[in-house]
Amino acid sequence: GAVVSQHPSWVICKSGTSVKIECRSLDFQATTMFWYRQFPKQSLMLMATSNEGSKATYEQGVEKDKFLINHASLTLSTLTVTSAHPEDSSFYICSALDFSSTDTQYFGPGTRLTVL
Amino acid sequence: TQLLEQSPQFLSIQEGENLTVYCNSSSVFSSLQWYRQEPGEGPVLLVTVVTGGEVKKLKRLTFQFGDARKDSSLHITAAQPGDTGLYLCAGANDYKLSFGAGTTVTVRA
Repeated sequence: GAVVSQHPSWVICKSGTSVKIECRSLDFQATTMFWYRQFPKQSLMLMATSNEGSKATYEQGVEKDKFLINHASLTLSTLTVTSAHPEDSSFYICSALDFSSTDTQYFGPGTRLTVL
Repeated sequence: TQLLEQSPQFLSIQEGENLTVYCNSSSVFSSLQWYRQEPGEGPVLLVTVVTGGEVKKLKRLTFQFGDARKDSSLHITAAQPGDTGLYLCAGANDYKLSFGAGTTVTVRA
């Protein structure tokens, strides 16, 4: 299957700082990527849909000014958690949609964010 | 509120036993996908079912999609310790996935 990478795999930051997480599709182009958040012992919750060359679409309840998404190329989407607080600590997972392969979403390995 | 209800939430069985995980919804989906997720990793796609009534087999795993495309089941035959993990079902509409809460499966050696 196709490969999606995330960087960093884990990050620890102080409250009030901003953190950027990268999501890359390594062997296919992805005009659409998705960002999810997963709290311990819970399932994945969709945060937003990232569209190459246009604004991201956020799910209800997700603050677009806090979670900035940029999809500047066909292989890269970034999620920036601005002014992070301890309640933002979570496992953030991206996926990339491969339209050439029966519309399958391939998931990245996730990024563990801990805000002190 | 989860769009997809998975049951059971936890399942612990002995190696060699069979198990079934259920995924139910009141919504119709264009397709339904099953994933397995290991701790600290992203979910890995096991199968996608598209047609109502469809049955797919993947070695010891059998997946069924309900006739009305609202529910699905995952059956594992002769479970092995390597089958341990979090199993997630996800319904797809317009390329967006809605995940169930997951079933944590533990297979004891």
